Amino acid sequence: SQKIEQNSEALNIQEGKTATLTCNYTNYSPAYLQWYRQDPGRGPVFLLLIRENEKEKRKERLKVTFDTTLKQSLFHITASQPADSATYLCALPGNTGGFKTIFGAGTRLFVKA
Amino acid sequence: DTGVSQDPRHKITKRGQNVTFRCDPISEHNRLYWYRQTLGQGPEFLTYFQNEAQLEKSRLLSDRFSAERPKGSFSTLEIQRTEQGDSAMYLCASSPNTGGFGDTQYFGPGTRLTVL
Repeated sequence: SQKIEQNSEALNIQEGKTATLTCNYTNYSPAYLQWYRQDPGRGPVFLLLIRENEKEKRKERLKVTFDTTLKQSLFHITASQPADSATYLCALPGNTGGFKTIFGAGTRLFVKA
Repeated sequence: DTGVSQDPRHKITKRGQNVTFRCDPISEHNRLYWYRQTLGQGPEFLTYFQNEAQLEKSRLLSDRFSAERPKGSFSTLEIQRTEQGDSAMYLCASSPNTGGFGDTQYFGPGTRLTVL
């Protein structure tokens, strides 16, 4: 069955540094991959979508890479700010051909001022 | 565009009782999703609708769970004979049928269920 793995340990970084979060997946070759942000007690918010034929995607301070050979996506936040502190979720489409979405457990990011 | 809304925001019930949650998606969004999320985990897919048709339902879902989306607008999720293991955040999301690639989902604030 499909599996998504994200760093279970929280990531603590200093303000201004680049945060890098990892998403690994197995038993599947998704056509695209998404990243969402979730703040405590709130629903996830969509950030970026990257397709299998795209190596890299950027949006402001965010950058996502997608390596279909390694079955891995990296999510970078450059010049991080305390407001970036949140849980970041990786999501893949299900392998049933419909619109089912599978989420990873997420990685909690803490940015210290 | 007022976003996805869910009602109630919090529900406390006793084991064995039935509960029903409502989700109002962003208007004109064709797809509607239900997820369950427990502490430290990502959202777990329960089911989704394309307009009023329920197209997929998780095999993890027992027969105690049922969802409807009459007329392709709002949706309800009912849990019958609740168990303590049903305690979780129930999230609803909707997405437009843009004909494009991928499926960006817009989430509501969730309904937190506590089963005593």
